[in-house]
Amino acid sequence: DGGITQSPKYLFRKEGQNVTLSCEQNLNHDAMYWYRQDPGQGLRLIYYSQIVNDFQKGDIAEGYSVSREKKESFPLTVTSAQKNPTAFYLCASSPREGSGNQPQHFGDGTRLSIL
Amino acid sequence: GQQLNQSPQSMFIQEGEDVSMNCTSSSIFNTWLWYKQDPGEGPVLLIALYKAGELTSNGRLTAQFGITRKDSFLNISASIPSDVGIYFCAGVIPSGSARQLTFGSGTQLTVLP
Repeated sequence: DGGITQSPKYLFRKEGQNVTLSCEQNLNHDAMYWYRQDPGQGLRLIYYSQIVNDFQKGDIAEGYSVSREKKESFPLTVTSAQKNPTAFYLCASSPREGSGNQPQHFGDGTRLSIL
Repeated sequence: GQQLNQSPQSMFIQEGEDVSMNCTSSSIFNTWLWYKQDPGEGPVLLIALYKAGELTSNGRLTAQFGITRKDSFLNISASIPSDVGIYFCAGVIPSGSARQLTFGSGTQLTVLP
């Protein structure tokens, strides 16, 4: 089945560590996105990528980094510079970015907690 | 940036009742999306609306794109226990950039037996 796979489902990080969240899609979508979700809040955009080897900052990019070396993959690294990393992280993809008429489809998320 | 006001924040209803929730904004949107999120899962797209005035149904769900392009509502008829979850609206402004996809803060729906 086609879809978006995020791993791991749960992730624990010690203070000062970088961690990388995986997002893989086999939908042949050009655009991919990372969102952060905090309890009782809507989704906030961290980074997005329209094509391979290109990505743009979203509204809350500080303390995060991404790469887009392959169309299928868009990993997110939460760096030690992110002071409040505990959250639910969602990856999404859409056929192409920019038209506004291409709804995003989401993975099942990764819950990151600080030890 | 754009803000979406989604209401109500939470709802407790009896099984079989109809439900209505809405999103409003001071900005114009050219696309409205409604998603449902189950606990520990990612949001799943329920309905997409692309034209002002558009009324679209998906089973027991009906959503409308407001004439002013600044609001949208979602109705659920004859609620059942599996309707429990968080419902999010999302709007896309006319520039169409992914950066401009704005989410409401969600409506937590609880269905009582």
